[in-house]
Order: sequence, then structure tokens, then C-alpha cells
Amino acid sequence: KNQVEQSPQSLIILEGKNCTLQCNYTVSPFSNLRWYKQDTGRGPVSLTIMTFSENTKSNGRYTATLDADTKQSSLHITASQLSDSASYICVVSLKTSYDKVIFGPGTSLSVIP
Amino acid sequence: DTGVSQDPRHKITKRGQNVTFRCDPISEHNRLYWYRQTLGQGPEFLTYFQNEAQLEKSRLLSDRFSAERPKGSFSTLEIQRTEQGDSAMYLCASSLKVSLYFGEGSWLTVV
Repeated sequence: KNQVEQSPQSLIILEGKNCTLQCNYTVSPFSNLRWYKQDTGRGPVSLTIMTFSENTKSNGRYTATLDADTKQSSLHITASQLSDSASYICVVSLKTSYDKVIFGPGTSLSVIP
Repeated sequence: DTGVSQDPRHKITKRGQNVTFRCDPISEHNRLYWYRQTLGQGPEFLTYFQNEAQLEKSRLLSDRFSAERPKGSFSTLEIQRTEQGDSAMYLCASSLKVSLYFGEGSWLTVV
């Protein structure tokens, strides 16, 4: 069964600290993996996208890693800011004729002063 | 603004009424998707269009739900005889190749 799991379900960190979010997937055939940031009540916004051959990609203070062998990905946030408070969703695409995606349940991150 | 736009952003309706949401994708995008999202959950796939053709529908899309994309541009999602369980955010996304671009969503509250 194609599935994407994320941990932790929620996380509270102090402003300025780093954190790492995890994503495990059982999706086949794998095409790519993306991390999205979703502010409360808004649509998801893409942070990174990685294909099978890429194992790390950065976007400012966000760094995503991918281990295609173990089917795991992580999103590392450096020097967190209050505006990082959001849900972070891991999305895995299947290699099909169109962009069929499987969404993870998301990790809710709260950055507090 | 050249992003995906959705209308209305919020809708409160009485149980049993019909509602319609509209999505205007990014102009050159031929692929359009509808998702439903409830609080604390990731988006759930509802249906997919390539141009005007509806190529896939989730089993979540019951007989009360219908989606159209008549000219391969904008799309509508209609929910008939709404139920309280339909309360959710309805997200539209479009793509040309790989990247999905989401709209801001349409919140539906059924009272």
C-alpha cells in the first residue's frame, strides 16, 4: 500500500533553535519527494523537491535530505523563526502518466519566543 | 497575480443546500487537481483533470460531488445536498510538468 508517514505529529521549539522533521514512505514506483509548508488556513507552498538521484537540497534555512534506499527523508530547519510556525507536509509522487501524489499527515511546528 | 485562485474562500451553508467552488489554475497548466483537507490531516485526493478530461476520481467523490473543467481552463466542484461531514477545506492545484501549485483553498462549513 502506498503510504507516507511523518514524525513527530507536532513539535514545539524555541525561536532560534534548529529542528528536524522526519518522513518515511512506502511508495512505488517512486518519482520524487517534496516538502510543503502550510500556514493555518492557507494552501501548501512548495519548499523543496528531490528526485531519486538527489540526496540533499536546500532552500534558505530549510535543508531536505533523501535516502532512497531506506525510503526516508528529513527536513531540517535552521535558526527557527516565529514565521516557521506551520504544518510541514511530506508529499511523494508516483511514477505514473500524471502527477499522482501521496500526502503525509503533516508535522505541526510551533516556534515560540 | 498569476497563481492558482479559488473562489469563494469561505462558505457557510445549511445542511441540504448545494454549493459550488471555482478554481482558476495557472494559465498554461494543463493538469488540475482537487483535494479535500480536514483539520490536522493532509490533503486527500478527490479528482484529476488533464485539459478538459476528468481522468481519475477518488472513491471519496460520492454521487453528491461533481467536478467539471469545461474548456480545459477553470474548474468547478459542486457538492449537492451538503452534509455536516462535508465541512473541510477544498484545495485546488495545477501543474504543467512536475511541480504542484496550490490555491489558497475554499473553506466549507455546513451547519
